[in-house]
Amino acid sequence: DQQVKQNSPSLSVQEGRISILNCDYTNSMFDYFLWYKKYPAEGPTFLISISSIKDKNEDGRFTVFLNKSAKHLSLHIVPSQPGDSAVYFCAAGGSGNKLVFGAGTILRVKS
Amino acid sequence: DAGVIQSPRHEVTEMGQEVTLRCKPISGHDYLFWYRQTMMRGLELLIYFNNNVPIDDSGMPEDRFSAKMPNASFSTLKIQPSEPRDSAVYFCASSLRRVSTDTQYFGPGTRLTVL
Repeated sequence: DQQVKQNSPSLSVQEGRISILNCDYTNSMFDYFLWYKKYPAEGPTFLISISSIKDKNEDGRFTVFLNKSAKHLSLHIVPSQPGDSAVYFCAAGGSGNKLVFGAGTILRVKS
Repeated sequence: DAGVIQSPRHEVTEMGQEVTLRCKPISGHDYLFWYRQTMMRGLELLIYFNNNVPIDDSGMPEDRFSAKMPNASFSTLKIQPSEPRDSAVYFCASSLRRVSTDTQYFGPGTRLTVL
């Protein structure tokens, strides 16, 4: 039972354009959401997060949007850069006190 | 701080052998997590510790897997006997405080191949 789903295994975007990565969740008890970024041969690193009391959080080129009614969040990267090419994991947490990760989306930014 | 340290980085073994993965968390972090990454299932939480005590091991696939944290600076994940389906990248992570909202810092992972 996958509580956090990233339905797009991969995404290819031209440098300078917007990258939109999507994530859906099923458990309405989740109240905190995070995105992690992973380069090859390295561990995931924290990128950005959002609490369920907000619908948007912005950090430089990265913005996360949360739609609680649809149980959907998305990560926008504007403008996309070749260095953004990585695997992006969506994660969700709640009172259960552990993070549930999605399967990841491979982002390729072409120069 | 050097970050979360994992060893070995790569492990190739034969089916039936015992495998031990090691982790040193960031000093001062109260929580330690073991994850497994596979193509099919993504990043799965296996077990986590708080102050060296196992809190939730519901993600451990079966009795062949065991984890210990004898002190605040060291943890092991053991697979005995190993099977080809255990091949994956195993990550250790640590965090300072609350599990679900505090940033988790990941180690570089151990790529395990069981032949």
